[in-house]
This record gives sequence, C-alpha cells and structure tokens, in this order.
Amino acid sequence: DQQVKQNSPSLSVQEGRISILNCDYTNSMFDYFLWYKKYPAEGPTFLISISSIKDKNEDGRFTVFLNKSAKHLSLHIVPSQPGDSAVYFCAASENRDDKIIFGKGTRLHILP
Amino acid sequence: NAGVTQTPKFRILKIGQSMTLQCTQDMNHNYMYWYRQDPGMGLKLIYYSVGAGITDKGEVPNGYNVSRSTTEDFPLRLELAAPSQTSVYFCASSYAGAGRRYGYTFGSGTRLTVV
Repeated sequence: DQQVKQNSPSLSVQEGRISILNCDYTNSMFDYFLWYKKYPAEGPTFLISISSIKDKNEDGRFTVFLNKSAKHLSLHIVPSQPGDSAVYFCAASENRDDKIIFGKGTRLHILP
Repeated sequence: NAGVTQTPKFRILKIGQSMTLQCTQDMNHNYMYWYRQDPGMGLKLIYYSVGAGITDKGEVPNGYNVSRSTTEDFPLRLELAAPSQTSVYFCASSYAGAGRRYGYTFGSGTRLTVV
C-alpha cells in the first residue's frame, strides 16, 4: 500500500526547457512534503520542502506546487540543466513524527 | 565536515552470515534512521532512533537489529543474512523536528549482496 506514488519511472527533457515531476499521495495526515535528488552511488540530498498550509514554495530554479484537494504535488525545474540528470524522490511526513515516507523515484534525463 | 559516514561501502555476504553496518554522524543530530533501497523502489525505513538509548521499528525491521549507545553512532546488525536482504542501505540523521522541514542528511550508502 503505497502512500506516496510517483507513477513515471523516467522522464526526458531538453536542456533549457522545464522539467515537471509529479507525485500523488493517499494519506491526508501528511503535513510536510519533500523532494530529494539522488546521483548514482551517492545518498539522497534534500532539495526543497513544502508545508501543507502552502500551495507553492520556490528555491532558485526549483518550485514545488501542492494541490491538497487532489493530493498531488509537482516539482518544476526551470531551466533544466545537464547536472539535473538524477533520480528524484518525492517524500512526505505526518505531523506526529519525523519519519519520512518515500516514493519510488523518477529518473530525469536532461538531453543536450 | 564529514556529515554522515557509512562503512563499509560494499560487502558480499554468504547466506546465514552476520554483519554490522556502521553509521556515524558528527553533526550532533538527535534523530538517526536506517533505510534500504531495492532496485526500482523507494527507500523503506528499517529502524530509527530519537536519541541515545531509544530505538524503534520502521516499516521493514525483520531480520535487523539496531542499538544507539551514543549520539554519534547508530549501527545496523544483520543476523542470518538472506538473499532478500540484498539492497543498498542508507543511514540518515536530523535534528529533532527538523527532518521533515529541512530534510535528513544521508550517508553515501552500503551496497550489500547476499549470495
């Protein structure tokens, strides 16, 4: 029973264009959502988070959008760069503890 | 500026053997976690600790044990290794209450193969 779902295993985007990674969740008790980036042979690194009381959070080229009614969030990367090629994990946490639940990840390929 | 250090990076075990995956952090984080990542899958929580002397089970604890005798160290013990434990293991840490806002700090992982 997956509480955090990333339905696209991979995505290819032209360099300079916008990358949009999507994530759905089922648990209405989640109150924080996070995105992590992972390169091969490295641990995940935190990218950006959003509280459930907001619908948007920006950090440089990265913007996360949250649609609570649809239980959906997305990560926008603009403009996409070659170094953005990695696996991106969507994750979420309930307000009762600090445990984070991860989706399966989406592999992003930035094409030259 | 080490962060979270995991050793070893790679290990091959035979079925039935045991081993300890080491994890240490130098950021004085209260909370520490062990996750495993199977191919094509997300990270699943094995065990976590909110401070020295306190540990609790995560989503997939069977076949593993942990201890937390110091703030810095959080070793993961595999007893009677099985092929199903072939995975990449990640240790992570965070300050209390901060992990879900600012993310955990992860180690670089231990790739374990059980044959």
